Amino acid sequence: DVKVTQSSRYLVKRTGEKVFLECVQDMDHENMFWYRQDPGLGLRLIYFSYDVKMKEKGDIPEGYSVSREKKERFSLILESASTNQTSMYLCASLPSGRWAGELFFGEGSRLTVL
Amino acid sequence: KNEVEQSPQNLTAQEGEFITINCSYSVGISALHWLQQHPGGGIVSLFMLSSGKKKHGRLIATINIQEKHSSLHITASHPRDSAVYICAIKSWDSNYQLIWGAGTKLIIKP
Repeated sequence: DVKVTQSSRYLVKRTGEKVFLECVQDMDHENMFWYRQDPGLGLRLIYFSYDVKMKEKGDIPEGYSVSREKKERFSLILESASTNQTSMYLCASLPSGRWAGELFFGEGSRLTVL
Repeated sequence: KNEVEQSPQNLTAQEGEFITINCSYSVGISALHWLQQHPGGGIVSLFMLSSGKKKHGRLIATINIQEKHSSLHITASHPRDSAVYICAIKSWDSNYQLIWGAGTKLIIKP
C-alpha cells in the first residue's frame, strides 16, 4: 500500500535541461514538501505547499519552482538544471492541524546532472 | 545553536545491545517525529509523539515535554537496525513546518 509515490527513482540530465519531479500522495493530506538530501547536510527544505495552488519557500528555493494544481500532486521543477543540483530529492506529505499525524516520504529521486 | 540536537552523531554497537538515541529541542512543540533511513533507502516514519511513550516491536520512543527531550530506544539490537535515525519536531506556532535534527548513524555489528 504505497502512500507517497515519486515519479522517477533515478534520473540523469544534462546541464541546462528542464527537469520535472512529480510526487503523488493518496492520503488526502493538505501539506506536501520537497526536500533535498546531501551527505553531511541532512534534509533541507526546498518548498512546501499547504493547500492547492499554495506554496511557500523553504530554506533553499533558489533554482527551483513548484506546482500544486491538485491536492494529491506536488511537482518540483528545475528550470535549468545545474551540476550543483545533483542530489537525492525526497517528497513528503503530512496532514494539517497542530496535532498532525504521521509523516510519509516517497522513495526518493536521485538526480544526476552532467 | 540548532533548534534540534541529536546525540550521538555516530554510534557503533554489538548485536544484542540496548541502544539509546537522544533528541533535544529548544522550542515548544506540538509533535515530535522519529524516522529511519537505511543506506540507499527512503525515509520511513517510526513514531509520532506528543507525550509519553510509544512502543513498536523492539523500538520504544519516549518524550518529556517539560525537559524538551525525547529518546529512541532499540532493544536486542540487530544488524538490520543499522540506519540513520532522524528526529524532527513540529513547533507549536507552525501548522506544517518541520525542524530537522542532523541524524544519528547507527551501525550494529554481528
